Amino acid sequence: DTGVSQDPRHKITKRGQNVTFRCDPISEHNRLYWYRQTLGQGPEFLTYFQNEAQLEKSRLLSDRFSAERPKGSFSTLEIQRTEQGDSAMYLCASSVLAGYADTQYFGPGTRLTVL
Amino acid sequence: QQQVKQSPQSLIVQKGGISIINCAYENTAFDYFPWYQQFPGKGPALLIAIRPDVSEKKEGRFTISFNKSAKQFSLHIMDSQPGDSATYFCAASKDSWGKLQFGAGTQVVVTP
Repeated sequence: DTGVSQDPRHKITKRGQNVTFRCDPISEHNRLYWYRQTLGQGPEFLTYFQNEAQLEKSRLLSDRFSAERPKGSFSTLEIQRTEQGDSAMYLCASSVLAGYADTQYFGPGTRLTVL
Repeated sequence: QQQVKQSPQSLIVQKGGISIINCAYENTAFDYFPWYQQFPGKGPALLIAIRPDVSEKKEGRFTISFNKSAKQFSLHIMDSQPGDSATYFCAASKDSWGKLQFGAGTQVVVTP
C-alpha cells in the first residue's frame, strides 16, 4: 500500500504526558499537512510543510504542539503536557500539485484519548 | 469562525434516491472546492472537486453544482447505494492549494 500511513493508530495517555505521532506521506509528495478532527466536526487545519519547511501554523495551535519534517520525508507531531481537550483524531495528509489544484490524500489518522 | 457552512447535518435516503448536500462560503478568495467522503475509523478520501469557473462537474453518480454569485456549492449523489452511507465533507481553499477549510460534515444513511 503506497498511501499515507500514520503511527500509532490509537494512543491513550494520561493528562500531563507528552505524546508523539508519526506520519509517512506518499512517496514524492512534497507537501504534508496535519489536521485535527473532533467527533461530529470536519478536520481542522493545524500546520503544513513544503519539503522540510513549515510554511503555516494555525493560530489555534498552542505552544504545546510542535511539528517537524526532517529531510522533507516523514513528519512528527508532538503534544506536550497533554490536556483532556486534546482528545481528537489527528489526521495527516500529503499532496503534490497536479493540474490546477493541490489534491490532498489523507492517512487513517491517530486517535488520541487523554484521560 | 467556520468559513464553510454545510447542511444538512444528516440525511436518510432510500436506495436509488438522490442525496443532496449544500455548502456556503464567505471568502471570495476560495478557488478550489473539493468534497471528501469519510467512513468510520478512516481518513477522508477525495470524492470530486470543482473550481469556480465551472458551474457543474459530474463523475459517475456524483455531481457538484457551483453557484459563484451565491457563494454556494452542492453535492448530488444520484442512485444512492447502501455503500454510500458515510460522512461527507465539503471544503475550500485559496489559490487552489494549501490548507483546506472544511464544513462540519453530513452523515448520509442509505436504507435498503
